[in-house]
Amino acid sequence: EVVLTQSPDTLSLSPGERANLSCRASQRVSSSYLSWYQQKPGQAPRLLMYAASTRASGVPDRFTGSGSGTDFTLTISRLESEDFAVYYCQQFGSVFGPGTKVD
Amino acid sequence: QVTLRESGPALVRPTQTLTVTCTFSGFSLSTSGMCVNWIRQPPGQALEWLARIDWDGDKYYNTSLKTRLTISKDISKNQVVLTMTDMDPLDTGTYYCARLNSDGYYLDFWGQGTLVTVSS
Repeated sequence: EVVLTQSPDTLSLSPGERANLSCRASQRVSSSYLSWYQQKPGQAPRLLMYAASTRASGVPDRFTGSGSGTDFTLTISRLESEDFAVYYCQQFGSVFGPGTKVD
Repeated sequence: QVTLRESGPALVRPTQTLTVTCTFSGFSLSTSGMCVNWIRQPPGQALEWLARIDWDGDKYYNTSLKTRLTISKDISKNQVVLTMTDMDPLDTGTYYCARLNSDGYYLDFWGQGTLVTVSS
């Protein structure tokens, strides 16, 4: 079974800064089935990115997904106040990573 | 539009069985490619995938919890039901249902979640 690890655990940044979030798989996975979710306190997760690099409907273009094989990255080019949240990667609609908190 | 809503007991006693229901609209679980998942989240912790049921009746479970989980669907009611046996305080958390888009295996619509506390 694939295990996903995310780093760092917490990313402490300021509005306007760039955020790079990493998701690493224990074995090679298809980028077609790698997705990212954003979760704010007290809310359900929201789909951000699927197929590693395709933004979901309504997701601003400051969010970019990339990667292949075992290493994937979510980049937020210029943080806005509403981007401070926890971000999870997921593989094949099942296994989740432990999350990265952006604060 | 697609919506999902979870319902179930707020409090469950240890060793009891939890039954949570996902009622959805905007799609049919009899349509090819449609799948519904259950995911849970203990307070302050990460998401954990629990189970999935597909339009064709196929079922998939978290291997660590497989012996305790049963997922089922009622097409006529647009509902998916998850039961979890032998509940423990460590099972306390928010239980979410979500639709899986089987083109890319991503969860495109989520319910708001239902908080279940396991306590005597």
